[in-house]
Amino acid sequence: QQQVKQSPQSLIVQKGGISIINCAYENTAFDYFPWYQQFPGKGPALLIAIRPDVSEKKEGRFTISFNKSAKQFSLHIMDSQPGDSATYFCAAIQTGANNLFFGTGTRLTVIP
Amino acid sequence: DAGITQSPRHKVTETGTPVTLRCHQTENHRYMYWYRQDPGHGLRLIHYSYGVKDTDKGEVSDGYSVSRSKTEDFLLTLESATSSQTSVYFCAIWEPGTSGGPGTQYFGPGTRLLVL
Repeated sequence: QQQVKQSPQSLIVQKGGISIINCAYENTAFDYFPWYQQFPGKGPALLIAIRPDVSEKKEGRFTISFNKSAKQFSLHIMDSQPGDSATYFCAAIQTGANNLFFGTGTRLTVIP
Repeated sequence: DAGITQSPRHKVTETGTPVTLRCHQTENHRYMYWYRQDPGHGLRLIHYSYGVKDTDKGEVSDGYSVSRSKTEDFLLTLESATSSQTSVYFCAIWEPGTSGGPGTQYFGPGTRLLVL
């Protein structure tokens, strides 16, 4: 059973547009939600993360929006650039645990 | 990159042969993990280790075994490789957070395995 559900599976966005990737979870014990970015031929790398005590976290062009009541969170990439083309994974974990639960990934392509 | 290396980086093998993948870390982290990545499935945990000789199964452990005889090395073995084990394999470590904050998982560069 997939603990974290991610959509869409793939996304094509024009340069300068907004990319939005959505994730949902069921386990209310999760209290830390990181996003990972993976370029072809590389391992995933931590991009940005949020805890459920805030509804939004922004780092540069990347923003996480968090809706605790709906058990959903999303990644927004503003002014998307071709260099943002990568696979993005959302994840969730409970404090004290050491195993992340990953979404299935979204392959983002930003067209120049 | 948290000092994680994987070897080999690429391997082609035949069905029925044993294969061992190695993960090496330089920063003495307690937790180490093996994942496989497949299209449409994302990252799936195979096995993980929480110390020397301490390991546990993940969600897709069938057909795989692991060993950790030293803190820095975590080995993944396919006893008898099958075509369904063609995948990209990632090793990862868990770096604990500071002051009670959340930790971070760091991944190695991956091993691309093709089983013919």
